[in-house]
Amino acid sequence: QSALTQPASVSGSPGQSITISCTGFSSDVAGYNYVSWYQQHPGNAPKLMVYDVNARPSGVSTRFSGSKSGNTASLTISGLQAEDEADYFCSSYSSGSVYVFGTGTKVTVL
Amino acid sequence: DEQLLESGGGLVQPGGSLRLSCAASGFTFSNYAMNWVRQAPGKGLEWVSEISSSGDSTYYADSVRGRFTISRDNSKNTLYLHMHNLRAEDTAVYYCAKDLWVGATGLGLDYWGQGTLLTVSS
Repeated sequence: QSALTQPASVSGSPGQSITISCTGFSSDVAGYNYVSWYQQHPGNAPKLMVYDVNARPSGVSTRFSGSKSGNTASLTISGLQAEDEADYFCSSYSSGSVYVFGTGTKVTVL
Repeated sequence: DEQLLESGGGLVQPGGSLRLSCAASGFTFSNYAMNWVRQAPGKGLEWVSEISSSGDSTYYADSVRGRFTISRDNSKNTLYLHMHNLRAEDTAVYYCAKDLWVGATGLGLDYWGQGTLLTVSS
């Protein structure tokens, strides 16, 4: 049940696009199209932003998009806004543990 | 609106026990698998446990297997986490979270409570 690997931090200027990577294994990211992404602002609960690799729940901005290639999933935030500054966690279905989360990425808007 | 409200956190000595509860409202609780996810102070998310919609199937992270027990009472729309032999490393905010799809597990968590803090310390 090793955590998925994410960069500790990613930053960008308003209006730019940034991409957060999430690297796993054959037992999780590479093996299933069940990657989800969560946004967490300080002191708040996580919020689902993307599921099934690239689907968005109702109400989530189209600026958030997901993709996957092999054992690495990615979340792209386009048109970066101040309100996007938060921690982001990926997650995947795992044959070993149902869910496995990523190590988390702090997004800073410069 | 769907809501999840955790309770039961607090300060417990190492080796102690505690039960967390999560009251659900705004959706048909008995249709969905439910989870506990924890977050140690300043750290990332860690999946702890899941229970199927009927309660017949349960799953645990290696770090808590044998010490924690997840259960649910569909007549009371309530999820529980019974925790025993607690360790300092169990200190965290514990969130309950609802699975995305009816009857499915592991595909995403679309609603989360605000969490309850467990501190294990002497």
